[in-house]
Amino acid sequence: AQSVTQLGSHVSVSEGALVLLRCNYSSSVPPYLFWYVQYPNQGLQLLLKYTSAATLVKGINGFEAEFKKSETSFHLTKPSAHMSDAAEYFCAVSEWGGGADGLTFGKGTHLIIQP
Amino acid sequence: DVKVTQSSRYLVKRTGEKVFLECVQDMDHENMFWYRQDPGLGLRLIYFSYDVKMKEKGDIPEGYSVSREKKERFSLILESASTNQTSMYLCASTPPPGTGGEKLFFGSGTQLSVL
Repeated sequence: AQSVTQLGSHVSVSEGALVLLRCNYSSSVPPYLFWYVQYPNQGLQLLLKYTSAATLVKGINGFEAEFKKSETSFHLTKPSAHMSDAAEYFCAVSEWGGGADGLTFGKGTHLIIQP
Repeated sequence: DVKVTQSSRYLVKRTGEKVFLECVQDMDHENMFWYRQDPGLGLRLIYFSYDVKMKEKGDIPEGYSVSREKKERFSLILESASTNQTSMYLCASTPPPGTGGEKLFFGSGTQLSVL
Protein backbone atom coordinates (compact mmCIF):
# COMPACT_ATOMS: atom_id res chain seq x y z
CA ALA A 1 0.00 0.00 0.00
CA GLN A 2 1.12 3.51 -0.68
CA SER A 3 1.63 6.18 1.97
CA VAL A 4 2.99 9.67 2.42
CA THR A 5 4.74 11.28 5.38
CA GLN A 6 5.10 15.03 5.61
CA LEU A 7 7.62 16.11 8.20
CA GLY A 8 6.43 19.09 10.19
CA SER A 9 2.80 20.07 10.53
CA HIS A 10 3.87 23.74 10.65
CA VAL A 11 6.84 25.41 8.99
CA SER A 12 7.69 29.07 9.55
CA VAL A 13 10.11 31.03 7.36
CA SER A 14 10.92 34.69 6.90
CA GLU A 15 9.87 36.50 3.76
CA GLY A 16 12.68 36.12 1.22
CA ALA A 17 14.08 32.98 2.84
CA LEU A 18 14.27 29.49 1.38
CA VAL A 19 11.15 27.35 1.68
CA LEU A 20 11.68 23.61 2.21
CA LEU A 21 8.71 21.31 2.82
CA ARG A 22 9.58 17.66 3.29
CA CYS A 23 7.75 14.66 1.89
CA ASN A 24 8.66 10.98 1.99
CA TYR A 25 6.61 8.31 0.31
CA SER A 26 6.14 4.58 0.34
CA SER A 27 5.08 2.75 -2.79
CA SER A 28 5.43 -0.77 -4.14
CA VAL A 29 5.69 0.46 -7.74
CA PRO A 30 7.21 3.56 -9.35
CA PRO A 31 4.94 6.27 -8.06
CA TYR A 32 3.26 9.35 -9.37
CA LEU A 33 3.91 12.18 -6.90
CA PHE A 34 2.14 15.48 -6.43
CA TRP A 35 2.18 18.64 -4.40
CA TYR A 36 -1.11 20.46 -3.89
CA VAL A 37 -1.67 23.82 -2.23
CA GLN A 38 -4.75 25.02 -0.38
CA TYR A 39 -5.19 28.71 0.27
CA PRO A 40 -7.58 29.78 3.04
CA ASN A 41 -11.24 28.99 2.27
CA GLN A 42 -10.40 27.43 -1.08
CA GLY A 43 -10.17 23.97 -2.56
CA LEU A 44 -6.89 22.29 -3.46
CA GLN A 45 -4.98 23.19 -6.57
CA LEU A 46 -2.08 21.37 -8.19
CA LEU A 47 1.37 22.91 -7.70
CA LEU A 48 3.39 20.30 -9.55
CA LYS A 49 3.58 16.60 -10.36
CA TYR A 50 6.18 13.93 -11.02
CA THR A 51 5.23 11.26 -13.54
CA SER A 52 8.57 9.47 -14.23
CA ALA A 53 10.01 12.05 -16.60
CA ALA A 54 12.58 14.56 -15.27
CA THR A 55 13.44 14.12 -11.59
CA LEU A 56 13.45 17.86 -11.00
CA VAL A 57 9.95 19.16 -11.50
CA LYS A 58 9.06 22.82 -11.81
CA GLY A 59 5.63 24.00 -10.82
CA ILE A 60 3.65 27.17 -10.52
CA ASN A 61 4.54 30.21 -8.39
CA GLY A 62 8.29 29.44 -8.42
CA PHE A 63 8.04 26.10 -6.61
CA GLU A 64 9.98 23.01 -7.59
CA ALA A 65 10.46 19.51 -6.24
CA GLU A 66 13.07 16.83 -6.76
CA PHE A 67 12.27 13.13 -6.92
CA LYS A 68 14.97 11.09 -5.16
CA LYS A 69 14.29 7.40 -5.47
CA SER A 70 17.16 6.37 -3.17
CA GLU A 71 15.73 8.52 -0.39
CA THR A 72 12.04 7.93 -1.31
CA SER A 73 11.62 11.68 -1.06
CA PHE A 74 9.90 14.42 -2.99
CA HIS A 75 10.68 17.63 -1.10
CA LEU A 76 9.18 20.94 -2.20
CA THR A 77 11.35 24.05 -2.38
CA LYS A 78 11.17 27.70 -3.31
CA PRO A 79 14.27 29.93 -3.24
CA SER A 80 12.58 33.03 -1.85
CA ALA A 81 9.36 32.98 0.17
CA HIS A 82 6.63 35.52 -0.47
CA MET A 83 3.81 36.48 1.86
CA SER A 84 1.32 35.08 -0.64
CA ASP A 85 2.85 31.60 -0.20
CA ALA A 86 1.20 31.23 3.21
CA ALA A 87 -1.08 28.22 2.82
CA GLU A 88 -1.50 24.52 3.55
CA TYR A 89 0.60 22.21 1.38
CA PHE A 90 -0.17 18.56 0.74
CA CYS A 91 2.06 15.91 -0.74
CA ALA A 92 0.27 13.03 -2.45
CA VAL A 93 1.14 9.73 -4.09
CA SER A 94 -0.57 7.43 -6.54
CA GLU A 95 0.50 4.12 -7.99
CA TRP A 96 -1.88 4.42 -10.92
CA GLY A 97 -1.66 8.09 -11.86
CA GLY A 98 -4.61 9.05 -9.73
CA GLY A 99 -7.02 8.39 -12.54
CA ALA A 100 -9.03 5.52 -11.20
CA ASP A 101 -8.30 5.28 -7.52
CA GLY A 102 -7.53 8.81 -6.44
CA LEU A 103 -4.53 9.89 -4.46
CA THR A 104 -3.18 9.16 -1.00
CA PHE A 105 -2.43 12.44 0.76
CA GLY A 106 -0.07 13.37 3.54
CA LYS A 107 -1.37 15.16 6.61
CA GLY A 108 -0.35 18.54 5.32
CA THR A 109 2.14 21.23 6.26
CA HIS A 110 0.98 24.70 7.17
CA LEU A 111 3.48 27.23 5.80
CA ILE A 112 3.74 30.47 7.77
CA ILE A 113 5.60 33.44 6.31
CA GLN A 114 7.04 35.92 8.78
CA PRO A 115 7.40 39.53 7.56
CA ASP B 1 -11.28 25.62 -17.06
CA VAL B 2 -12.74 22.61 -15.33
CA LYS B 3 -15.31 23.49 -12.75
CA VAL B 4 -16.23 21.27 -9.83
CA THR B 5 -19.15 22.70 -7.91
CA GLN B 6 -20.25 21.68 -4.45
CA SER B 7 -23.77 22.79 -3.69
CA SER B 8 -23.18 24.16 -0.19
CA ARG B 9 -20.21 25.93 1.35
CA TYR B 10 -21.49 25.57 4.92
CA LEU B 11 -24.03 23.12 6.29
CA VAL B 12 -25.33 22.60 9.82
CA LYS B 13 -27.27 19.43 10.63
CA ARG B 14 -28.49 17.60 13.70
CA THR B 15 -27.42 14.18 14.90
CA GLY B 16 -29.42 11.44 13.21
CA GLU B 17 -30.41 13.50 10.18
CA LYS B 18 -29.90 12.17 6.67
CA VAL B 19 -27.51 14.48 4.85
CA PHE B 20 -26.85 14.85 1.13
CA LEU B 21 -23.74 16.55 -0.20
CA GLU B 22 -23.88 17.25 -3.90
CA CYS B 23 -21.05 17.65 -6.39
CA VAL B 24 -21.25 18.47 -10.09
CA GLN B 25 -18.43 18.68 -12.64
CA ASP B 26 -18.74 20.21 -16.07
CA MET B 27 -15.95 18.47 -18.04
CA ASP B 28 -17.39 15.02 -18.68
CA HIS B 29 -14.86 13.44 -16.34
CA GLU B 30 -15.00 9.70 -15.77
CA ASN B 31 -13.70 9.59 -12.22
CA MET B 32 -15.08 11.37 -9.19
CA PHE B 33 -14.03 11.29 -5.55
CA TRP B 34 -15.16 12.31 -2.10
CA TYR B 35 -12.56 13.18 0.52
CA ARG B 36 -12.89 14.50 4.02
CA GLN B 37 -10.31 16.89 5.41
CA ASP B 38 -9.58 17.16 9.12
CA PRO B 39 -6.85 19.21 10.84
CA GLY B 40 -3.76 17.11 11.39
CA LEU B 41 -5.14 14.21 9.35
CA GLY B 42 -4.94 15.61 5.83
CA LEU B 43 -7.34 14.31 3.21
CA ARG B 44 -8.81 10.84 3.46
CA LEU B 45 -10.66 9.13 0.65
CA ILE B 46 -14.25 8.14 1.46
CA TYR B 47 -15.61 6.82 -1.83
CA PHE B 48 -14.87 7.12 -5.51
CA SER B 49 -16.60 6.31 -8.76
CA TYR B 50 -15.18 5.60 -12.19
CA ASP B 51 -18.44 5.40 -14.07
CA VAL B 52 -22.16 5.99 -13.76
CA LYS B 53 -23.70 3.67 -11.17
CA MET B 54 -20.26 2.39 -10.22
CA LYS B 55 -18.73 3.06 -6.80
CA GLU B 56 -15.74 1.90 -4.84
CA LYS B 57 -14.95 2.24 -1.16
CA GLY B 58 -12.04 4.38 -0.19
CA ASP B 59 -10.13 4.31 3.07
CA ILE B 60 -12.93 5.46 5.42
CA PRO B 61 -16.34 4.51 3.94
CA GLU B 62 -18.07 3.66 7.23
CA GLY B 63 -21.15 5.78 7.85
CA TYR B 64 -21.28 7.03 4.26
CA SER B 65 -22.80 6.00 0.98
CA VAL B 66 -22.70 7.52 -2.50
CA SER B 67 -24.82 7.83 -5.58
CA ARG B 68 -23.82 8.40 -9.21
CA GLU B 69 -26.89 8.36 -11.42
CA LYS B 70 -25.45 10.77 -13.97
CA LYS B 71 -21.86 11.18 -15.11
CA GLU B 72 -21.58 14.78 -13.99
CA ARG B 73 -23.06 14.35 -10.51
CA PHE B 74 -21.67 12.48 -7.51
CA SER B 75 -23.54 12.62 -4.22
CA LEU B 76 -22.27 11.76 -0.76
CA ILE B 77 -24.90 10.57 1.70
CA LEU B 78 -24.67 10.44 5.46
CA GLU B 79 -27.47 8.05 6.37
CA SER B 80 -27.59 9.13 10.02
CA ALA B 81 -25.27 12.01 10.75
CA SER B 82 -23.09 11.83 13.83
CA THR B 83 -20.91 14.44 15.52
CA ASN B 84 -17.72 12.67 14.43
CA GLN B 85 -18.71 13.40 10.84
CA THR B 86 -18.24 17.12 11.41
CA SER B 87 -15.59 17.91 8.82
CA MET B 88 -14.67 19.62 5.57
CA TYR B 89 -15.80 17.52 2.61
CA LEU B 90 -14.02 17.88 -0.71
CA CYS B 91 -15.21 16.57 -4.04
CA ALA B 92 -12.79 16.00 -6.93
CA SER B 93 -12.87 14.71 -10.48
CA THR B 94 -10.39 13.59 -13.10
CA PRO B 95 -10.45 12.23 -16.65
CA PRO B 96 -9.05 8.76 -17.39
CA PRO B 97 -5.27 8.09 -17.17
CA GLY B 98 -3.41 9.16 -20.26
CA THR B 99 -5.70 12.09 -20.84
CA GLY B 100 -4.46 14.22 -17.95
CA GLY B 101 -6.03 11.85 -15.50
CA GLU B 102 -3.26 12.23 -12.97
CA LYS B 103 -4.49 15.67 -11.98
CA LEU B 104 -7.45 16.00 -9.65
CA PHE B 105 -9.72 19.00 -9.92
CA PHE B 106 -11.21 19.95 -6.57
CA GLY B 107 -14.37 21.76 -5.53
CA SER B 108 -14.22 24.49 -2.88
CA GLY B 109 -15.43 22.17 -0.16
CA THR B 110 -18.44 21.87 2.14
CA GLN B 111 -17.89 22.52 5.83
CA LEU B 112 -20.39 20.27 7.60
CA SER B 113 -21.18 20.71 11.27
CA VAL B 114 -23.24 18.04 13.01
CA LEU B 115 -24.71 19.19 16.31
